Amino acid sequence: VPLVQSGAEVKMRGASVKVSCKVSGYTLTELAMHWVRQAPGKGLEWMGRFDPKHGEPIYAQKFQGRVTMTEDTSTDTAYMELSSLRSEDTAMYYCATLLLAYDAFDIWGQGTMVTVSS
Amino acid sequence: SSELTQDPAVSVALGQTVRITCQGDSLRSYYVSWYQQRPGQAPVLVIFGKNNRPSAIPDRFSGSNSGNTASLTITGAQAEDEADYYCSSRDSSSNHVFGTGTKVTVL
Repeated sequence: VPLVQSGAEVKMRGASVKVSCKVSGYTLTELAMHWVRQAPGKGLEWMGRFDPKHGEPIYAQKFQGRVTMTEDTSTDTAYMELSSLRSEDTAMYYCATLLLAYDAFDIWGQGTMVTVSS
Repeated sequence: SSELTQDPAVSVALGQTVRITCQGDSLRSYYVSWYQQRPGQAPVLVIFGKNNRPSAIPDRFSGSNSGNTASLTITGAQAEDEADYYCSSRDSSSNHVFGTGTKVTVL
């Protein structure tokens, strides 16, 4: 189930960015899509997930109020929008699907680099 | 801050065995999974469940759990195993969380 993400973005501080993740080979409704980010030289950080089977998305507390995860099932594309960007939001953003039976992220997108400049 | 703790770095001689550990109270209750991340690449799942490998992962990778500690073992390390390794599970709020990461150097 390849996941193809949108290209790199450069944004000004305070702006918003919207990253897309297109699924092929499966339909989005069959998948539990999560978002993970990684700042340069740092570890992986779970941001949240959107699972249409369970209704509303769940976000990590750190991103509450700034992140919105949505899905367009007509195009099998998931989106992650982060607002009020800060320099510390400069990171690689990944979408990843969750293998529900084992709670493991089995497929990852290639990543989208978001750079926040002042 | 992560609730899953890993050693920052380990080294292993080519062909030898290395064990990477991940500690956290949530490991008593939830599955742990392990990811390999080579420089400039997306993470790759290497171990999930009790000790399962995706089909593309060599059998020199294995996993185990004991109480609040999970381990990833590479038996007969190869040069291509040099990478960062992360564990993942759930935190006290049942949200997903990643370990702090371990850099493996193959000498």
